[in-house]
Amino acid sequence: QKEVEQDPGPLSVPEGAIVSLNCTYSNSAFQYFMWYRQYSRKGPELLMYTYSSGNKEDGRFTAQVDKSSKYISLFIRDSQPSDSATYLCAMRYGGTSYGKLTFGQGTILTVHP
Amino acid sequence: DAMVIQNPRYQVTQFGKPVTLSCSQTLNHNVMYWYQQKSSQAPKLLFHYYDKDFNNEADTPDNFQSRRPNTSFCFLDIRSPGLGDAAMYLCATSRVTGVRNTEAFFGQGTRLTVV
Repeated sequence: QKEVEQDPGPLSVPEGAIVSLNCTYSNSAFQYFMWYRQYSRKGPELLMYTYSSGNKEDGRFTAQVDKSSKYISLFIRDSQPSDSATYLCAMRYGGTSYGKLTFGQGTILTVHP
Repeated sequence: DAMVIQNPRYQVTQFGKPVTLSCSQTLNHNVMYWYQQKSSQAPKLLFHYYDKDFNNEADTPDNFQSRRPNTSFCFLDIRSPGLGDAAMYLCATSRVTGVRNTEAFFGQGTRLTVV
């Protein structure tokens, strides 16, 4: 079983739709959770960085963490064609960890006009 | 404004010919990482430097080496590239202070092709 599971999609939605992206994980030692966006042939770009269970909002993006269920989500409101990319969830241990990230496989999202 | 810069963006090398990828950062972060990302797969950590301390992942092949001559620069050396080493190589940085660790910032990656 992979430590982090993410539905690879692909996911295709019309412009303006609400997008929900999800990851589950098995190791309760993960304490920090991130969402990265990766355009084709580019490096990952950090979108959201969270620690606590609950919601964190930044513009059209909302990250949700449920540590009890080992489940994280990213919601994109009013999706735009420019949101078309691969979305990677990532997580790392807390404490004195040097910061190794464990990634999900990535979900390919296409937002069509 | 570029903070983590990788060169070159695209690299073609011959089977078995040593190749070096470079990464520089302007963030003054003390940790630098090298990840390998194959097509449609998650990035996989190869190794990292915590200041000058080198840390290898257990499953990183011996074919991969790294150097960090100073805080700003880090190199990935592939001694004898095989066809299976074709991938995107991602450099990332973060700052660790005690138990605190910032988020990781990635470069644009170097896409390596082995012919």
